[in-house]
Parts: sequence; structure tokens; C-alpha cells
Amino acid sequence: QKEVEQDPGPLSVPEGAIVSLNCTYSNSAFQYFMWYRQYSRKGPELLMYTYSSGNKEDGRFTAQVDKSSKYISLFIRDSQPSDSATYLCAMSEGTGGFKTIFGAGTRLFVKA
Amino acid sequence: ETGVTQSPTHLIKTRGQQVTLRCSSQSGHNTVSWYQQALGQGPQFIFQYYREEENGRGNFPPRFSGLQFPNYSSELNVNALELDDSALYLCASSRLRGGDNEQFFGPGTRLTVL
Repeated sequence: QKEVEQDPGPLSVPEGAIVSLNCTYSNSAFQYFMWYRQYSRKGPELLMYTYSSGNKEDGRFTAQVDKSSKYISLFIRDSQPSDSATYLCAMSEGTGGFKTIFGAGTRLFVKA
Repeated sequence: ETGVTQSPTHLIKTRGQQVTLRCSSQSGHNTVSWYQQALGQGPQFIFQYYREEENGRGNFPPRFSGLQFPNYSSELNVNALELDDSALYLCASSRLRGGDNEQFFGPGTRLTVL
């Protein structure tokens, strides 16, 4: 079993839809939870990071962490074609990116 | 503020050769981590450098080695290249012990081993 599980998709939605992306994990020591967006042949871009459990909102993006269920989510409201990319969840036990573990990524397509 | 840069962009090598990849950290960052991303997979942690010392390592053999320089730039060296080493190699910089966990990635170096 992988430490971090993420459905690879692809996920296809119409423009304006609410997108829900999820990851589960097995290591209860993870404290820091991140979401990255990666366009084809580019490096990952940090979208959201959360420490411990709770919600965080930034514009159209909301990240949720439920440590009791070992489950994290990213919601994208009013999705746009420019949101089409691969979304990677990531988590680590310590600060500064130490031994960050990534999910395999979910490919998202937003149709105009 | 200067972002993370990596060179070269693309590289083609043959099996058994050695390769050096380079990374310049974002301004103000003192830590560099290297990742390997195979096609269709998430990045895998190779190792991290802090204050010119290796600060932790993932499940990669010793033929993967690195350096960090006083200006916080870094190199990844891979010896005795194997076909499975073909991947996107990503460098990420951060500020260890700065109270946050934000890592910023470079655009990556795509390595092809023939």
C-alpha cells in the first residue's frame, strides 16, 4: 500500500463546475498537507498548504484536511479551462519540505 | 524575487554515463530538495540539502549524490545511468526552520537515458 493514494483520473468537467479532488494517506505523523498544480512539462506550482486539520480558502480554492480519517480534499469553484492540469497532493512530517510524499496526481480537464 | 531555476532543460545520455544537473534556489531560501518524477507519477523525494549537508534521503541508491554550495545553489549527480533513470528531475527550494513548509519548484530537467 502506498503512503499516499490519489485517483489518477482523468476527471472531465464542464466550465463553471465545482471540482473535488481527494487523497488518502496512511502515515498518521504527517502534519503538513499541500496541493500543487502541474501543467504539462512544467514544475509543480504550490496552490495551498495546511498545517494539521482544518480548512483553508484562497480565492476559488478550498483545502480541507481531516486527520482523523486521513483524508484531504481540494475544491475548485467556478472551474475554468485554464484549470486543466494535473493536481498533486503532498504531505510531510516536518517543515521545509523534508521528505515530502506526493500522490500520483489527478488529471483534470475543464471543458469550455 | 528570483524563482527557482534549473539547467539544462533537456538532456540525453546513454546507459552507464554520468550526469550533473544544476539548480539555483529562490532568493532567501537555504534548503534544496531534489525529486525524480517518472511519467504519469508524482515526484519522489531523492534527498534534501541544508547548510551544504545532506539533511535526509529517500529510497535512492548511492549513485545519486548531491552538493549544495554556499550561495545555496545545488547539483544532483547520477552515476552509472540506467534506463529507468529517464525522468523529469525537479529541484525545490524552501526555508528550513523558518516556520513554514512552502516549497517552490523549478521547471525541471528532463533526462532521457538511451
